Amino acid sequence: EIVLTQSPGTLSLSPGDRATLSCRASQSVSGKYLDWYQQRPGQAPRLLIYGASTRATGVPDRFSGSGSGTDFTLTISNLEPEDVAVYYCQQYDSPLYTFGPGTKLEIK
Amino acid sequence: VQLVQSGAEVKKPGASVKVSCKASEYTFIDYYVHWVRQAPGQGLEWMGWNNPNTGATNYARKFQGRVTMTRDTSISTAYMELSRLTSDDTAVYYCAREGPNGSCEFDFWGQGTLVTVSS
Repeated sequence: EIVLTQSPGTLSLSPGDRATLSCRASQSVSGKYLDWYQQRPGQAPRLLIYGASTRATGVPDRFSGSGSGTDFTLTISNLEPEDVAVYYCQQYDSPLYTFGPGTKLEIK
Repeated sequence: VQLVQSGAEVKKPGASVKVSCKASEYTFIDYYVHWVRQAPGQGLEWMGWNNPNTGATNYARKFQGRVTMTRDTSISTAYMELSRLTSDDTAVYYCAREGPNGSCEFDFWGQGTLVTVSS
């Protein structure tokens, strides 16, 4: 079973900064099956990025995804207060789906 | 697209719970429905999926033997039943649709159902 590790655990930045969130897999993951989600406090998760780098419908272009193999990155530019959330990566390796433990983003 | 889940439940240890997820504004049988849970203050945990077209299921190893995912296509509703509940099953349970992009992404989510297991 592929295990996902996310770092850092918590990220504290200021409005306008750029956030770089890492997701590392214990084995190579097909980039086609690596997705990112945002979960704001008290809300259900929301799909941000699928296939490692494609933004979901309605997601601002401040959000971008990249990576391949075992290392994937979610970058959020020009941080806004509404970006306060926990961000999860998720992968599919037939027949299992697994989530990373999440990165909590705080805006100072 | 909307996924609307049933309300909060309080159950005693050893009991079962059945959560529903009503889909609307899309063709229900065309997309897998997944179930994901989140314990208080914890991360997301995938539980399994149901294929609404065929009824086929696939469960995470951790839940095999204890979870049953079904559907009623006549009312576009998916169900997740979890048996032999313990306090460790206290969590918010989400249904989510697997999207059309071939990336096994979960593009729409229900609002969540809080299940509390307490004696």
